[in-house]
Amino acid sequence: RKEVEQDPGPFNVPEGATVAFNCTYSNSASQSFFWYRQDCRKEPKLLMSVYSSGNEDGRFTAQLNRASQYISLLIRDSKLSDSATYLCVVVTGNQFYFGTGTSLTVIP
Amino acid sequence: GAVVSQHPSRVICKSGTSVKIECRSLDFQATTMFWYRQFPKQSLMLMATSNEGSKATYEQGVEKDKFLINHASLTLSTLTVTSAHPEDSSFYICSARDHSTGERGYTFGSGTRLTVV
Repeated sequence: RKEVEQDPGPFNVPEGATVAFNCTYSNSASQSFFWYRQDCRKEPKLLMSVYSSGNEDGRFTAQLNRASQYISLLIRDSKLSDSATYLCVVVTGNQFYFGTGTSLTVIP
Repeated sequence: GAVVSQHPSRVICKSGTSVKIECRSLDFQATTMFWYRQFPKQSLMLMATSNEGSKATYEQGVEKDKFLINHASLTLSTLTVTSAHPEDSSFYICSARDHSTGERGYTFGSGTRLTVV
């Protein structure tokens, strides 16, 4: 079983739409969770951390559900510039585990 | 914030030659650096963990004699792809952690796109 499972998409949404991504993880001992954004042919960049209490940064909201072992990312009022691949990351011990990434294209 | 510099950003080499990729932490010391590989439309896959002053730890299926890692100082790790073949063509990215900023301190280099012809 993979450490992290993520729906690859693609998600094609109109500007202004709300879109949500989920990732599930297999190890209940995982201690930290992140969402990264990766633009085409570029390195991943940290978007936000994920906490059980939820974490909101402008139009972006990240949530962790430890009981069900999944994390989510919600993007409200999508912008064209949000088009990218979003990677969930689960940290277990000293290891980073990446999801396969979900491709998002925001359409004018 | 923490900055990791990776060089070169792009390299094309002939089959059978070796290519060295450098990863430097610019404003912090990194006892541990990580090397990843990413094939098109796939996720980042950890290849090895580079430890300053000791041998690297390789993930299962990664040939240590083909992918030589040297972490001779607290700010520099190198990955050498030896006897490169076209199937080694990929996007290689390093990552390092600035321990002073906790787990948010994992920063990635800008990546190296290797094409073996």
